[in-house]
Amino acid sequence: NAGVTQTPKFQVLKTGQSMTLQCAQDMNHNSMYWYRQDPGMGLRLIYYSASEGTTDKGEVPNGYNVSRLNKREFSLRLESAAPSQTSVYFCASRASGTDNVLTFGAGSRLTVL
Amino acid sequence: AQSVSQHNHHVILSEAASLELGCNYSYGGTVNLFWYVQYPGQHLQLLLKYFSGDPLVKGIKGFEAEFIKSKFSFNLRKPSVQWSDTAEYFCAVTGLGGYALNFGKGTSLLVTP
Repeated sequence: NAGVTQTPKFQVLKTGQSMTLQCAQDMNHNSMYWYRQDPGMGLRLIYYSASEGTTDKGEVPNGYNVSRLNKREFSLRLESAAPSQTSVYFCASRASGTDNVLTFGAGSRLTVL
Repeated sequence: AQSVSQHNHHVILSEAASLELGCNYSYGGTVNLFWYVQYPGQHLQLLLKYFSGDPLVKGIKGFEAEFIKSKFSFNLRKPSVQWSDTAEYFCAVTGLGGYALNFGKGTSLLVTP
């Protein structure tokens, strides 16, 4: 079982470059999430998609855009990368209903020079 | 807005010592509470969860947590830690029916042989 798959695992960008982080889940989950993890800051929610066709801002959405391409895929785009976006990015998904348990991907480490 | 506070940022214990990690949250309604663990170089994994019922919750690997509603707390405990418990531990909360988990800043646990 693949679960939640993120690509790429590592990426180095220059300031101003753009890139898209891809996330796909094969568990038929309705909700998907993008978090960033920074030392001493825990995980902070960037965007989430409660269901296919909807997206909402989280705690730190500035500088990011998302697309819920279909039920399986939820991508995160940096239009013009900044050094402050150097972080580890985690995608997660959750089934509908009362089970709020998130299943996380392995993470994508992004460095912006 | 919901918030989660983890009191201990770094904890160092010897093997066989007892562990208690503090977690307090602020939220007025019914909550779902979680502890996630992140082993070095790995993604987050669910350790245990509380939705309702018995406030003493048992998770994997001998961990347990107690929900004390009057104190807005959900502390994680383990009677005897092992070297393999070295990891970062995150407390998280979401309101009933809520879509996104709010995470604490994490506690880094180092268990020495």
